[in-house]
Amino acid sequence: DGGITQSPKYLFRKEGQNVTLSCEQNLNHDAMYWYRQDPGQGLRLIYYSQIVNDFQKGDIAEGYSVSREKKESFPLTVTSAQKNPTAFYLCASTGQRGERSPLHFGNGTRLTVT
Amino acid sequence: GENVEQHPSTLSVQEGDSAVIKCTYSDSASNYFPWYKQELGKGPQLIIDIRSNVGEKKDQRIAVTLNKTAKHFSLHITETQPEDSAVYFCAASYRNTPLVFGKGTRLSVIA
Repeated sequence: DGGITQSPKYLFRKEGQNVTLSCEQNLNHDAMYWYRQDPGQGLRLIYYSQIVNDFQKGDIAEGYSVSREKKESFPLTVTSAQKNPTAFYLCASTGQRGERSPLHFGNGTRLTVT
Repeated sequence: GENVEQHPSTLSVQEGDSAVIKCTYSDSASNYFPWYKQELGKGPQLIIDIRSNVGEKKDQRIAVTLNKTAKHFSLHITETQPEDSAVYFCAASYRNTPLVFGKGTRLSVIA
């Protein structure tokens, strides 16, 4: 089955530590995205990548970094500069050819920083 | 940039009744409007989408309507069932720009 795998499902870190969230897809999609979800805030875009070795900032990129060295992988690093890192993080992907294709989501990683 | 407003934030209906969720968008260039359903602890899943060259689309008990002039679109769920209980998100985008999401509606279907 094709899909998006996010790991781990739950992640706990101490304040001041960087942490990297994994996202892997086997859908052969060109574009990948990271969204942050907070209660009552909807989904807010952190970073996205439309092609390997290229990525753009979303609406709330401060305190986060990404890389896109392989088509299948788009890891997100939450740095110590992110002031409120505790949240539910969602990775997504979509094909880019021709007409807009649907966005597919992983099942998320819940990060708790204390 | 695009801004999407979604109402209501919570909605409770009796099983078998209809539910309607409404969204407005700000960018008249937006031409793709999907709806997602998110169950507890999971990622959102696409349930239906509509493009700006279509006014209405149906899929069994789910329908979406689009009014380009007024810049709003709505999700209609008929004959609601307990398994329809979830958080629903609308979104909008232009071509292949990233989707902009509404803040979500928590739907509760009471048996």
